[in-house]
Amino acid sequence: KQEVTQIPAALSVPEGENLVLNCSFTDSAIYNLQWFRQDPGKGLTSLLLIQSSQREQTSGRLNASLDKSSGRSTLYIAASQPGDSATYLCAVLRGPYSGGGADGLTFGKGTHLIIQP
Amino acid sequence: DAGITQSPRHKVTETGTPVTLRCHQTENHRYMYWYRQDPGHGLRLIHYSYGVKDTDKGEVSDGYSVSRSKTEDFLLTLESATSSQTSVYFCAISESELLNTEAFFGQGTRLTVV
Repeated sequence: KQEVTQIPAALSVPEGENLVLNCSFTDSAIYNLQWFRQDPGKGLTSLLLIQSSQREQTSGRLNASLDKSSGRSTLYIAASQPGDSATYLCAVLRGPYSGGGADGLTFGKGTHLIIQP
Repeated sequence: DAGITQSPRHKVTETGTPVTLRCHQTENHRYMYWYRQDPGHGLRLIHYSYGVKDTDKGEVSDGYSVSRSKTEDFLLTLESATSSQTSVYFCAISESELLNTEAFFGQGTRLTVV
């Protein structure tokens, strides 16, 4: 069974710092990995999608990397801002034709990020 | 934002009553999903659909049923609500299982079973 772990569970840093959020998964037979942001009481906003054949994706101040063989992904946030405060979720999609079991995304429990002004 | 509408957004119901949550999409995506989010457990898959009338169970499907009679609508039914089904329910969509697999989520439905 796929398990996704996110470290740290919570992080508080001053504004302007660069930071790294970590995600690990136990089964490397994934199709893609997706990073989301969730604000309190809101839905999930997709930030970055990395296909299993890719090593990284960038969007603005965000950069996500994927090392499928070691089961790891990182989300790098450059020059953090108070508006980046949210919970960040990592999720993996099971590879096609990988056998029985539930489809859909398997999520980590998230990293709660606070950026101090 | 992806065109996903969940209704109702909030609901309080009594134990033992049936409840139906609706997810409506305007993106014509093939895949639709229902997840629940609970403190300490994160998001877990309840059921998903890979086409009209094609559905399958997820990790936590007991006590739930789904139906998809049209591409745009995916219904989640709690046949007899229990307090353990108090949760926030999210609908998600994605276009394909091989290409364009990015998932988009609705705003959620907060369900309280008393």
